[in-house]
Amino acid sequence: EVQLVESGGALVQPGGSLRLSCAVSGFTFSNYAMTWVRQLPGKGLEWVSLISGSSGTTDYADSVKGRFTISRDNSKNTLYLQMNSLRAEDTAVYFCAKGLRGSSSAFDQWGQGTLVTVSS
Amino acid sequence: DIQMTQSPSSLSASVGDRVTITCRATQGISNYLAWYQQKPGKVPKLLIYAASTLQSGVPSRFSGSGSGTHFTLTISSLQPEDVATYYCQKYNSAPRTFGQGTKVEIK
Repeated sequence: EVQLVESGGALVQPGGSLRLSCAVSGFTFSNYAMTWVRQLPGKGLEWVSLISGSSGTTDYADSVKGRFTISRDNSKNTLYLQMNSLRAEDTAVYFCAKGLRGSSSAFDQWGQGTLVTVSS
Repeated sequence: DIQMTQSPSSLSASVGDRVTITCRATQGISNYLAWYQQKPGKVPKLLIYAASTLQSGVPSRFSGSGSGTHFTLTISSLQPEDVATYYCQKYNSAPRTFGQGTKVEIK
């Protein structure tokens, strides 16, 4: 059974940092691109970042470029999102998701999400 | 950047009705288009990828069509369990933008 479990969400002050993790099981992690998607309270889905299976390719939304860094540890079956210089508008539920195939794929498995609240 | 626009933003239909949601891209994206369903309080679920390929386990009343800039998601016979918000998404390259969502309710 495929499982994706996010952790690391918390209340953080503006300008602060946070690292999210997504532990996966049930598939060969290194073979698939992984992504982070966020959902602001009561709002729609916003794609944040993607990393290829080999970590050779990373992409970011303009809203987080230069502040967020996606990475993965294929030996630990874990995806990460390092978030720096956090702003109030980063407050959201953050989902990790698995690519169906390569980097140009839809996302077929999703975690339950972890809540990040940026507030003083 | 390519923008994705869905219409309508919400709709109300009766059980058994045929429902169609449209997604338009500001530039051509070939068939790199997915549809997701998100029920209230739940995680998004992939329904369709490559514009028209039904994800495994998804009921056959869901179908997708289109290519280039114009795409549609059709529910052939709306069921009560289909109450949800539906999102389209382009995934060929960054940014992998979602549409703003279409909320489907039962009349």
